[in-house]
Amino acid sequence: GAGVSQTPSNKVTEKGKYVELRCDPISGHTALYWYRQSLGQGPEFLIYFQGTGAADDSGLPNDRFFAVRPEGSVSTLKIQRTERGDSAVYLCASSLDPNTGELFFGEGSRLTVL
Amino acid sequence: KQEVTQIPAALSVPEGENLVLNCSFTDSAIYNLQWFRQDPGKGLTSLLLIQSSQREQTSGRLNASLDKSSGRSTLYIAASQPGDSATYLCAVRGRNYGQNFVFGPGTRLSVLP
Repeated sequence: GAGVSQTPSNKVTEKGKYVELRCDPISGHTALYWYRQSLGQGPEFLIYFQGTGAADDSGLPNDRFFAVRPEGSVSTLKIQRTERGDSAVYLCASSLDPNTGELFFGEGSRLTVL
Repeated sequence: KQEVTQIPAALSVPEGENLVLNCSFTDSAIYNLQWFRQDPGKGLTSLLLIQSSQREQTSGRLNASLDKSSGRSTLYIAASQPGDSATYLCAVRGRNYGQNFVFGPGTRLSVLP
């Protein structure tokens, strides 16, 4: 596609529920990143994929968070047993080259946990 | 651990002024540094990417410089306009921290008509 696409744009859920957030990167971009942004702060790294594999998942806060990219294109961020503290904007980005490539972001998925 | 700071946290200027935003990082072993703009409720828009071997990059009224040895980058905006009002973030891709970018907290810019 022309840009990074994220769905849903907004998600409201109840504490304890399961949530999936989807990211469709720019076509041909092998590197895909998930970030989380809280109000008034810069994005915080969660996980990075190179192709189908998670090359770096050191930013995932705990084992309730998991992400997949089974075919090396679309990625899904999965959050189990959501907590109110998970409320944030989840941003996805992609890059053509993992070392030198420019990073392009989607519009984000705003998650609200009630 | 790479840490990125941005000064000032907020800036308000009258239309037409030239201005400089600052970004500092603690580990100079980097691949590149990227400046972004973020409008309220929106994603990040890429402005400029500077590779570690470069000193500066220019795009229109924007000029970004990089001094790797001192751990600093500046974003210069010439002849500011109300449409430039947004939060500006810098991000550093370090050689010692995988391929992910570490972001600063941003500078919130208001350009008054």
